[in-house]
Amino acid sequence: NAGVTQTPKFQVLKTGQSMTLQCAQDMNHEYMSWYRQDPGMGLRLIHYSVGAGITDQGEVPNGYNVSRSTTEDFPLRLLSAAPSQTSVYFCASSFQTVNSPLHFGNGTRLTVT
Amino acid sequence: SQQGEEDPQALSIQEGENATMNCSYKTSINNLQWYRQNSGRGLVHLILIRSNEREKHSGRLRVTLDTSKKSSSLLITASRAADTASYFCATVNFGNEKLTFGTGTRLTIIP
Repeated sequence: NAGVTQTPKFQVLKTGQSMTLQCAQDMNHEYMSWYRQDPGMGLRLIHYSVGAGITDQGEVPNGYNVSRSTTEDFPLRLLSAAPSQTSVYFCASSFQTVNSPLHFGNGTRLTVT
Repeated sequence: SQQGEEDPQALSIQEGENATMNCSYKTSINNLQWYRQNSGRGLVHLILIRSNEREKHSGRLRVTLDTSKKSSSLLITASRAADTASYFCATVNFGNEKLTFGTGTRLTIIP
C-alpha cells in the first residue's frame, strides 16, 4: 500500500495563479483532511471530508476549495494564490473519523511569489 | 486558534535519558493524540488516549491524561538519536470532526 500520496512535492506560483494540490489514499479511509503548517503555528485545518460527497470547513478555509467525488481522492484548489498561502500543505486520512489515527502524506511545499 | 499547547517548545537531552513533554488544552475533549514529525516529513501517529483513560503505553512511550487539569504528558524513556523530531499533541472535542494540533515540542537527542 502506498498510504497517502501527495503531488507535487514542491511548487512555486506567482500571485494570482491557480493550482490544485493532489491527495490520494489507497486505504479505503472515509475521513480525509488538509492542513497547512507554518513556522511557529503548528498545523491548522483547512478543510475536511467525512466521506465522498461531503466536505466542511476547518479553521482557515479562505482562499481554498475542496471536493470529494471519490473515497480515494481529496484535491485542494487554490483559485488565486497569494503570498500568505506560502506554506507546507499536508493531506491526512483516517479509517472513519478523527477518533482514529490520522495517516499523513509527506507534504507539498508551496511558495507564492 | 490552538487548542493544545506543548511545553517546552524545545528540549535537548543526552542519549539514554528520559524526555517528558507536556500538552495543555482549553476545552473538554473526546480524545487526545500524539504525533511525531521528522524534519521534512509528514506526521506519524504515536498514541491515542480517550477521555476516560488515564494512561497508555506503547513501547518506550508513555502517555498520561488528566482531564481535571486539561493536560497530557508524553514520556519517552531511554531516548535514542532517532527520537530527534518534533512532537505534537492534538485534540478532538466532543461532537466535532476536527483534530486540532498544538505548536509542538522540538526534541533533540545528543549522542
